[in-house]
Amino acid sequence: DIQMTQSPSSLSASVGDRVTITCRASQGISNSLAWFQQKPGKAPKSLIYAASSLHIGVPSKFSGSGSGTDFTLTISSLQPEDFATYYCQQYNSYPRSFGQGTKLEIK
Amino acid sequence: EVQLLESGGGLVQPGGSLRLSCAASGFRFSNYAMSWVRQAPGKGLEWVSRISGSGDSTDYADSVKGRFTISRDNYKNTLYLQLNSLRAEDTAVYYCAKENYMDSFDYWGQGTLVTVSS
Repeated sequence: DIQMTQSPSSLSASVGDRVTITCRASQGISNSLAWFQQKPGKAPKSLIYAASSLHIGVPSKFSGSGSGTDFTLTISSLQPEDFATYYCQQYNSYPRSFGQGTKLEIK
Repeated sequence: EVQLLESGGGLVQPGGSLRLSCAASGFRFSNYAMSWVRQAPGKGLEWVSRISGSGDSTDYADSVKGRFTISRDNYKNTLYLQLNSLRAEDTAVYYCAKENYMDSFDYWGQGTLVTVSS
């Protein structure tokens, strides 16, 4: 099974900052990597698929990169609505697996 | 507009059963694979099961294999998850999720809570 490891587990930032979250796969997954945003008490929201492609309606302040085992999610110009928990997920093979999450908090 | 609406959650005793449903609208349901993902209280996301658009291919997480069964009715545009032999560790919010043509989730339902407790 493929293990997904996110870093950091939590992150404090200020409005207007640019932040980067890292996701590492235990083995190569090509570009079969997705990113999701989840706010407390809400369902996850899909942000990025194929490592760098934005889902419809997702603002360009979100960007993803990487291939193989190392991936990043970058959020520019943080706004209050961006403070949430972010998850990566591999869909290269079964069982599909998520990272443990990165909680982005307001400093 | 794509909509996914889960139902069927509730309180059940250990060893009991429950059937979850996910009513889909706003897209050609039979063209897309669907999955169930769960989230235990205060924990992260865990993929549970996936079914192909036609329903002839299924996959399960090891933690639920042999106890849970995923199915779909493409005439009713509804996804199901049959949960048997439930354990306390199955307590979670269960989400259904639609896949896009790249096999990635694009839309999620609002979730339904399953609580396994005596």
